Amino acid sequence: DIQMTQSPSSLSASVGDRVTFTCQASQDISNYLSWYQQKPGKAPKLLISVASNLETGVPSRFSGSGSGTYFTFTISSLQPEDIATYYCQQYDNLPLTFGGGTKVEIK
Amino acid sequence: EVQLVESGGGLVQPGGSLRLSCSASGFTLSTYSMHWVRQAPGKGLEYVSGITSNGDDTYYAESVRGRFTISRDNSKNTLYLQMSRLRPEDTAVYYCVKGQPTLLDPFDYWGQGTLVTASS
Repeated sequence: DIQMTQSPSSLSASVGDRVTFTCQASQDISNYLSWYQQKPGKAPKLLISVASNLETGVPSRFSGSGSGTYFTFTISSLQPEDIATYYCQQYDNLPLTFGGGTKVEIK
Repeated sequence: EVQLVESGGGLVQPGGSLRLSCSASGFTLSTYSMHWVRQAPGKGLEYVSGITSNGDDTYYAESVRGRFTISRDNSKNTLYLQMSRLRPEDTAVYYCVKGQPTLLDPFDYWGQGTLVTASS
């Protein structure tokens, strides 16, 4: 199975800050990577696919980049409604595996 | 509007069985792969199983292989997960998830989940 490692596991930042966190795959997955946002008590929501493709309706302050084994997720200006846990997922090989998540909190 | 509504969760004793259902609407179920993903209390997301659009191919995580069976009835717009020989570590919220044409695609819609608790 492909292992996905997210870092850090949690972070705290102020409203308006630029926030970046990472996801590393245990082998080359090209750009077959998606990012999901999960707010407390809710189901996950797809934000980004193919490493950098923003889903329709997702605010442009969210972005993703990377390929191969190293990927980043950025919130350009953190908003209170962005408080959530963010998961990366590879879909290059079965089983489709998720990272352990990065929990984003407001300082 | 795409909607996925899970049902069938509940409390079951270890070793018992349970069948989850997922009623789909707002899209043509027969066109898409479908999946189950679970989340243990306070933990991350774990892929459980997937099935192709016509049901010909299925995949199971190692942790459930031989105990869980995924199936679908496209005529009833419903996805199923038959769970048997349940273990305490199967306790989780189970999400029904819509895929895309193949099993190797992102998940674009999720249900709200149904809680399965395997405990005596």
